[in-house]
Amino acid sequence: ETGVTQTPRHLVMGMTNKKSLKCEQHLGHNAMYWYKQSAKKPLELMFVYSLEERVENNSVPSRFSPECPNSSHLFLHLHTLQPEDSALYLCASSGTEGGRQFFGPGTRLTVL
Amino acid sequence: GESVGLHLPTLSVQEGDNSIINCAYSNSASDYFIWYKQESGKGPQFIIDIRSNMDKRQGQRVTVLLNKTVKHLSLQIAATQPGDSAVYFCAEASGYSTLTFGKGTMLLVSP
Repeated sequence: ETGVTQTPRHLVMGMTNKKSLKCEQHLGHNAMYWYKQSAKKPLELMFVYSLEERVENNSVPSRFSPECPNSSHLFLHLHTLQPEDSALYLCASSGTEGGRQFFGPGTRLTVL
Repeated sequence: GESVGLHLPTLSVQEGDNSIINCAYSNSASDYFIWYKQESGKGPQFIIDIRSNMDKRQGQRVTVLLNKTVKHLSLQIAATQPGDSAVYFCAEASGYSTLTFGKGTMLLVSP
């Protein structure tokens, strides 16, 4: 257990669906991150939140919409996804921006 | 044309051997380095980290070596066990920047 939980662990959705991924950290950290991990590729940083403000958005398509209502929770809202968006989506947190990150178990997303 | 996924480097060792996993980084300003282990179906798990004012740091069965001259990082695992089989990632950061992850190396340990 890393202190970072993600739900759901698995998600199958059609291209017209709307769904949300949830991440919660119990570590008292101030920064949270969303990553995409595709097969045989490095981790791709999608979004960074520090003290509940978005500080980084790495050219992610608008069909991915993050939300950070407080320092413990992070959401990734999904709509009109494409099959190539199928991947493992990982959430992480760190005490401050930068430094050691603690990862959740990920959500395995399949877009049909 | 069709994009091709990266081929993940693989290190195969026998149980009980020592393993060395290497990582080259590109940013000479990086001052913090970290190794993660990722088992199948799980998120990355912290193994060990090191700051640039050190060149070696030891943990339980693991040692990280940092060579800033050639921008090289290595992870040594002593007495490798089947449970060590996983993908290992190095990551680097400078100042308060977010971590930049490497491609990863798959370690396969056979009994």
